[in-house]
Amino acid sequence: GNSVTQMEGPVTLSEEAFLTINCTYTATGYPSLFWYVQYPGEGLQLLLKATKADDKGSNKGFEATYRKETTSFHLEKGSVQVSDSAVYFCALSGVSISSFGAGTTVTVRA
Amino acid sequence: DGGITQSPKYLFRKEGQNVTLSCEQNLNHDAMYWYRQDPGQGLRLIYYSQIVNDFQKGDIAEGYSVSREKKESFPLTVTSAQKNPTAFYLCASSITSMGQGPYEQYFGPGTRLTVT
Repeated sequence: GNSVTQMEGPVTLSEEAFLTINCTYTATGYPSLFWYVQYPGEGLQLLLKATKADDKGSNKGFEATYRKETTSFHLEKGSVQVSDSAVYFCALSGVSISSFGAGTTVTVRA
Repeated sequence: DGGITQSPKYLFRKEGQNVTLSCEQNLNHDAMYWYRQDPGQGLRLIYYSQIVNDFQKGDIAEGYSVSREKKESFPLTVTSAQKNPTAFYLCASSITSMGQGPYEQYFGPGTRLTVT
């Protein structure tokens, strides 16, 4: 079945540092891939998505590229801010029900 | 403004009582979902529904029940059979649930249930 594995946290960074969160997936067919963000006490929000191989999703300075050859969708941001502190979830949707990773907690210190 | 509403934001119940969590969407989505989130944990799927009057168990359905009588509504009942009901509950919807996507999910703000 489909599954998503993402880097375990927590991750603690200083402001303006580079962030990367690894995500790999197992799926049949050609899934769409997503990153969601959850701020404390809230629901998840879609951060970015990619629907086919080599697509790059981007939003708010975050980027992720759909790599079919390595079945990966790593999230990156070049310079994080305190406001980026949140939990990040990698997910996929495809021929079966969506799968979510376990989430990675990111804390950015001023 | 389209979206998903969950009410209430906080809910307190005594052990042994059933409690129903509300979820409403005005996005005209066919599929709806309920997830449970415990502190520091990921999402665990409780139930999902792909169409009105139909729903399927997720990974942790025991002790929960749902109904889908209307497209826009998917209430979750936490029954007294649920051994550890205190958690953060998230409702979500998507255009559909499977097939060629992308089928991103839209989430509500969540309900924090505390049972004592």
